[in-house]
Amino acid sequence: GQSLEQPSEVTAVEGAIVQINCTYQTSGFYGLSWYQQHDGGAPTFLSYNALDGLEETGRFSSFLSRSDSYGYLLLQELQMKDSASYFCAVRRLDSNYQLIWGAGTKLIIKP
Amino acid sequence: KAGVTQTPRYLIKTRGQQVTLSCSPISGHRSVSWYQQTPGQGLQFLFEYFSETQRNKGNFPGRFSGRQFSNSRSEMNVSTLELGDSALYLCASSSGQLGGPGELFFGEGSRLTVL
Repeated sequence: GQSLEQPSEVTAVEGAIVQINCTYQTSGFYGLSWYQQHDGGAPTFLSYNALDGLEETGRFSSFLSRSDSYGYLLLQELQMKDSASYFCAVRRLDSNYQLIWGAGTKLIIKP
Repeated sequence: KAGVTQTPRYLIKTRGQQVTLSCSPISGHRSVSWYQQTPGQGLQFLFEYFSETQRNKGNFPGRFSGRQFSNSRSEMNVSTLELGDSALYLCASSSGQLGGPGELFFGEGSRLTVL
């Protein structure tokens, strides 16, 4: 089937680095996207990887390896405000280009 | 420019009633998609519209329906409400162009409570 797997919860310490993985089982797709959602808020777009490799945006980086069916979001210098849920998503090349979502990873940051 | 606007923000209904939720996308965006989110859960895809045509539909019963108008505004309707329909309903708009980030812009959602 077509699915994306993420850990349900990750805990890290303020100031540290954390990696949130996203593994997928899907045939051809456009790139991998990441979204952040704070409790009670709406999801907001973080990053997009069209090609294999690392994309950096400030403290956040995202990586994609199509050969390994794997991607991750890397958050550096963690701040308390980074406590949120993070979702990965891909848009399929077939089936009317439907967007497939991971179940989300809740990031808990401790002082 | 103005973001995605969803109305109403909060509503309370009773079982058996129906509800209509509205979404106004960002100006120029032609794609609107709808999601259901319950506490602690991910985004459950309902449907996606592009230029008034339903492009994709999730695994929800026929009680859930939607449409998109010529100005790209969209509505979703839930008939014969059940307690389990209590959720946050999120609308997202995008340009609809494929091959790129296809960044979705989400509204603040409509929080539905069914009693």
